[in-house]
Amino acid sequence: KNEVEQSPQNLTAQEGEFITINCSYSVGISALHWLQQHPGGGIVSLFMLSSGKKKHGRLIATINIQEKHSSLHITASHPRDSAVYICAVTGDTDKLIFGTGTRLQVFP
Amino acid sequence: DSGVTQTPKHLITATGQRVTLRCSPRSGDLSVYWYQQSLDQGLQFLIQYYNGEERAKGNILERFSAQQFPDLHSELNLSSLELGDSALYFCASSVGWGDRGTQPQHFGDGTRLSIL
Repeated sequence: KNEVEQSPQNLTAQEGEFITINCSYSVGISALHWLQQHPGGGIVSLFMLSSGKKKHGRLIATINIQEKHSSLHITASHPRDSAVYICAVTGDTDKLIFGTGTRLQVFP
Repeated sequence: DSGVTQTPKHLITATGQRVTLRCSPRSGDLSVYWYQQSLDQGLQFLIQYYNGEERAKGNILERFSAQQFPDLHSELNLSSLELGDSALYFCASSVGWGDRGTQPQHFGDGTRLSIL
């Protein structure tokens, strides 16, 4: 079993829909990161959080430490949001432990 | 633009060969991380350097080695290449070391390595 699990693996949405991607982890963590990987391959860091909730534009990330669970929400989704979203955690070291990613496609 | 520069963007070579991937971290960042993304294994941590010193090692093969130079750029050397080494290799950088990932990591665009 992977230390970081994401669901769903694939997600298809219509433009404007509210999207939720889930991440569960089985290890103690210092921080949880949400990353976005575009079709070209580049990776962008979206959020880093260790408690509570963060918001950036149409993106919202939440974390529940007790339940070892985080969610990434996208409001008013747009085709340009199409990408792979990756959850990653750090524990006692600086290295990132990655989930397998959620492939999102948003259609107009 | 993350400020992290990786070269080359693409590399095609044959089995048994040796290649060097280069990374320049974001200005002010002292830590450099190397990650491998393959189709079957996903993203995996290879190695971390901080200010020229190796700080953490992950699933890095003995055929692979890395170093960080005084100007803070880093190189990942892959030798005796096998078909299974075909992957995207990412470099990331962050400000410090020992912060247990509580500082963001900034990723380069990756080097796509294809072994024929």
